[in-house]
Amino acid sequence: AQRVTQPEKLLSVFKGAPVELKCNYSYSGSPELFWYVQYSRQRLQLLLRHISRESIKGFTADLNKGETSFHLKKPFAQEEDSAMYYCALGNTDKLIFGTGTRLQVFP
Amino acid sequence: DAGITQSPRHKVTETGTPVTLRCHQTENHRYMYWYRQDPGHGLRLIHYSYGVKDTDKGEVSDGYSVSRSKTEDFLLTLESATSSQTSVYFCAIRPRTGKNTEAFFGQGTRLTVV
Repeated sequence: AQRVTQPEKLLSVFKGAPVELKCNYSYSGSPELFWYVQYSRQRLQLLLRHISRESIKGFTADLNKGETSFHLKKPFAQEEDSAMYYCALGNTDKLIFGTGTRLQVFP
Repeated sequence: DAGITQSPRHKVTETGTPVTLRCHQTENHRYMYWYRQDPGHGLRLIHYSYGVKDTDKGEVSDGYSVSRSKTEDFLLTLESATSSQTSVYFCAIRPRTGKNTEAFFGQGTRLTVV
């Protein structure tokens, strides 16, 4: 079965500190993974997709098939990064999300 | 913003009444999804559609039904609303599955069942 696990509900850091939001998945084939972000009172929007291996707003995410992980990282957090972050698995017709991690960046 | 709108944006209803939420898209995307968002539970899939009149259940489908009679509209119905269905409901659209296929979300409907 498809499953996405985000173990941290809340992650609090100070501005300039490194950030890592964890995501683990369960899928028998080659996964298609995404990170979505929801800023306060806004709709969810795509942040990253693993297939493109891009860096958006300083965030990167690397797929580790051995550990079945797709952690989101940023070396220096900014206050504007404060938001809700969701990892998603989208191989089949379904698009499955994790429970989300709220990132708080303090000045 | 992708052409996806949800209506109504806010609704308060009484326990036991039927409620229908509408998701409308102008992108001609094949896939449409309904999620509910609750603290501690994230986004949970209620139902989804992979074409006109083609729908399937998600992980929390009990108490909900859907219909898609045309490409652009996906309706979510709570047959008899309960307080546990108080939530924020999001619709999403996606052109296809597979690599690099982004989903686009509506602005959400805040439903309160009293």
